[in-house]
Amino acid sequence: DSGVTQTPKHLITATGQRVTLRCSPRSGDLSVYWYQQSLDQGLQFLIQYYNGEERAKGNILERFSAQQFPDLHSELNLSSLELGDSALYFCASSVGGERGTDTQYFGPGTRLTVL
Amino acid sequence: AQKVTQAQTEISVVEKEDVTLDCVYETRDTTYYLFWYKQPPSGELVFLIRRNSFDEQNEISGRYSWNFQKSTSSFNFTITASQVVDSAVYFCALSGYSRYNYQLIWGAGTKLIIKP
Repeated sequence: DSGVTQTPKHLITATGQRVTLRCSPRSGDLSVYWYQQSLDQGLQFLIQYYNGEERAKGNILERFSAQQFPDLHSELNLSSLELGDSALYFCASSVGGERGTDTQYFGPGTRLTVL
Repeated sequence: AQKVTQAQTEISVVEKEDVTLDCVYETRDTTYYLFWYKQPPSGELVFLIRRNSFDEQNEISGRYSWNFQKSTSSFNFTITASQVVDSAVYFCALSGYSRYNYQLIWGAGTKLIIKP
């Protein structure tokens, strides 16, 4: 158990809908990262927040947005969902803000299925 | 540009065999970090090891060992006396500085199948 929690574990929804994924980092960690893992594209970095502020952006679509709250939990919002958004979404956390050097600890993931 | 290559897409061995997963990286940075993660069939990503570029000592943790060789830009992972529970996808990752920011560059992963 990494100490990172994600809810829900599974989510099934329809195209065009909007969903929110939630993540709570390990105690003491200030950074939260979001990743998308699909079969054909591997692990893709979406976005990082550090202590409430956006720190780095990756291949995040405009239909997706995220935020980190004062208690450091984070939410990833996915809107106007398409079939291709079906994937495993991971949240990770680390102590510091350097995503290239700090060890990232991953949550169990949320499996999103868009029908 | 930084890059991580895990050339072995899938490896299948019989239980108790030793197996080595290869990881070759490219970087121009003098300071960098290398990581290994395990993703079992249940789906979660489990951190295994972090190594910085100045520490070339091999690491051993139980049946797991890592061989870091800067001369060949490799950070290989060996499982001794493999067990069925070792079946997973293993990812190697490299820290790199790109576009004014540090980022983690992931390999494509190696699927390891341990047959009983």
